[in-house]
Amino acid sequence: DGGITQSPKYLFRKEGQNVTLSCEQNLNHDAMYWYRQDPGQGLRLIYYSQIVNDFQKGDIAEGYSVSREKKESFPLTVTSAQKNPTAFYLCASKGARADSTYGYTFGSGTRLTVV
Amino acid sequence: KQEVTQIPAALSVPEGENLVLNCSFTDSAIYNLQWFRQDPGKGLTSLLLIQSSQREQTSGRLNASLDKSSGRSTLYIAASQPGDSATYLCAVSDEDKIIFGKGTRLHILP
Repeated sequence: DGGITQSPKYLFRKEGQNVTLSCEQNLNHDAMYWYRQDPGQGLRLIYYSQIVNDFQKGDIAEGYSVSREKKESFPLTVTSAQKNPTAFYLCASKGARADSTYGYTFGSGTRLTVV
Repeated sequence: KQEVTQIPAALSVPEGENLVLNCSFTDSAIYNLQWFRQDPGKGLTSLLLIQSSQREQTSGRLNASLDKSSGRSTLYIAASQPGDSATYLCAVSDEDKIIFGKGTRLHILP
């Protein structure tokens, strides 16, 4: 079955560490997205990529970095510059850019906790 | 800037009742509107997608409507069941991005 796989499900980060969250899709979707979810704040867009080797900052990109070397993969690195990284992170993908027929598909999320 | 609002923030109803969740958005220039369900600690599951040219979509006990000109959508759940308890998120898409409301937390009382 096609879908989005996020790993790990739970991740613990020490102060000053960089950590990388994995997101892989086999839907042949062009666009991929990273969202952060905090209680009471809804989902906020971190980064998105419409095509391989290209990505744009979202609303809260500071302290995060991404790469898009392959169509299937869009890893998110939470750097030590992100001062409050504890949150639930969701990855999503979508088909052709101008295609309004298909909606977004989401992964099952990664819960990141600072220890 | 597009803003999506969902009312109410939380709702508790007895099992078997029909219910309506509301969503409003500020910019009517959307590609489509999507309703999602999220269980605690889980990802988002797409329930219904309404394209901008459509007025409603139905799936089982769920019916979603879209009035683009007034910036409103409703999700109707018929004959509610305890398994419907979850957070329901409304989201609108433009060419590049999807913007979410903060959700309605629904609790169906057995």
